Amino acid sequence: NAGVTQTPKFQVLKTGQSMTLQCAQDMNHEYMSWYRQDPGMGLRLIHYSVGAGITDQGEVPNGYNVSRSTTEDFPLRLLSAAPSQTSVYFCATRGLAGETQYFGPGTRLLVL
Amino acid sequence: KNQVEQSPQSLIILEGKNCTLQCNYTVSPFSNLRWYKQDTGRGPVSLTIMTFSENTKSNGRYTATLDADTKQSSLHITASQLSDSASYICVVSLVSGGYNKLIFGAGTRLAVHP
Repeated sequence: NAGVTQTPKFQVLKTGQSMTLQCAQDMNHEYMSWYRQDPGMGLRLIHYSVGAGITDQGEVPNGYNVSRSTTEDFPLRLLSAAPSQTSVYFCATRGLAGETQYFGPGTRLLVL
Repeated sequence: KNQVEQSPQSLIILEGKNCTLQCNYTVSPFSNLRWYKQDTGRGPVSLTIMTFSENTKSNGRYTATLDADTKQSSLHITASQLSDSASYICVVSLVSGGYNKLIFGAGTRLAVHP
């Protein structure tokens, strides 16, 4: 039981490049979400999903796309990276009726 | 505006000592309040979750309190250990559009020195 896994752990991009951050969970949780964490600020919600085929925007969705084709996977896509997207990204999951949220180990992204 | 404010921003204590971290919130409608521990380079891990009717919840050496009237919470750490060095994040949940929306505080960074 791996819980929530994220890949890669660290990535450097040039401005304008695209990439996909991967998130996978083996807990059969319906709810999955992506957050970014910046120094001096609380985690901010980017996008979330309440089940396969259902996604919605969070607090800071601009510049990011998501899809949810399976219960297990919830990738986050950066279409054209910008320096403002330099951050640490966390994926989190929980059951729809559950309160405890489980976070992945994070992906540290640097955009030059 | 829904906000969660934590104090202090950072704290240094000696191993074995107790400490208390504070959380004030202006979130409505309130659903529950959570405390997370985040070790450096790791994702947050849940310590406690309290609903409106709960005013104290413990998890080992961690004790969280909630005063829903004054919209304040505290996390008390007893007999601190070096492994308690981490950021502690207060998170308030509100019900929005049928789902719980989480408002995160910026965290308190705790360093426990030998």
